[in-house]
Amino acid sequence: GESVGLHLPTLSVQEGDNSIINCAYSNSASDYFIWYKQESGKGPQFIIDIRSNMDKRQGQRVTVLLNKTVKHLSLQIAATQPGDSAVYFCAENIGETSGSRLTFGEGTQLTVNP
Amino acid sequence: DADVTQTPRNRITKTGKRIMLECSQTKGHDRMYWYRQDPGLGLRLIYYSFDVKDINKGEISDGYSVSRQAQAKFSLSLESAIPNQTALYFCATSDPGLAGKETQYFGPGTRLLVL
Repeated sequence: GESVGLHLPTLSVQEGDNSIINCAYSNSASDYFIWYKQESGKGPQFIIDIRSNMDKRQGQRVTVLLNKTVKHLSLQIAATQPGDSAVYFCAENIGETSGSRLTFGEGTQLTVNP
Repeated sequence: DADVTQTPRNRITKTGKRIMLECSQTKGHDRMYWYRQDPGLGLRLIYYSFDVKDINKGEISDGYSVSRQAQAKFSLSLESAIPNQTALYFCATSDPGLAGKETQYFGPGTRLLVL
């Protein structure tokens, strides 16, 4: 299943399927991006990050893709599990000297059906 | 993340009351942040502090104040609470040690209801 971020804030997939969560970021000067997972009743938890000099980075069952040309970020989750059900946020950071002034997207609710 | 703690976890207060939300961290990070989360609006930055002597306003600082008592402690105050300050509040920390790759780590949140 695939979301289109702000225009489709919910994504429902079957257990075992791959999930793709999309995010359109706003600033072409952004040089660092993070995906967070937020489970119900908890704070956002770091999943994976990517710097702007890369276009792909892989973690355990997750992959982040960055397309700077169209200012698009995606999070791919392989073999989605019920424990992956959560809200997923992308965040962008502009420049090292400005510190960690992250700007967050609105989030996508991922629901995994057994 | 247990390294960032927030108290209280839940709070109900009345309009006009002054309340304080507290954040403590054991990560040894210099930078701390307060965010507010509302349904459909994501996380919005209220205040941030890059060290004990540094306090900066975020995008929605009106109606809030902060105090950085120590490297490990950053408090958020609502001087006179109003109902539209009902929200989920998060504290976060970060370490500028790795240039260009500064991840923020969040506390568990405080759910505030203003009646």
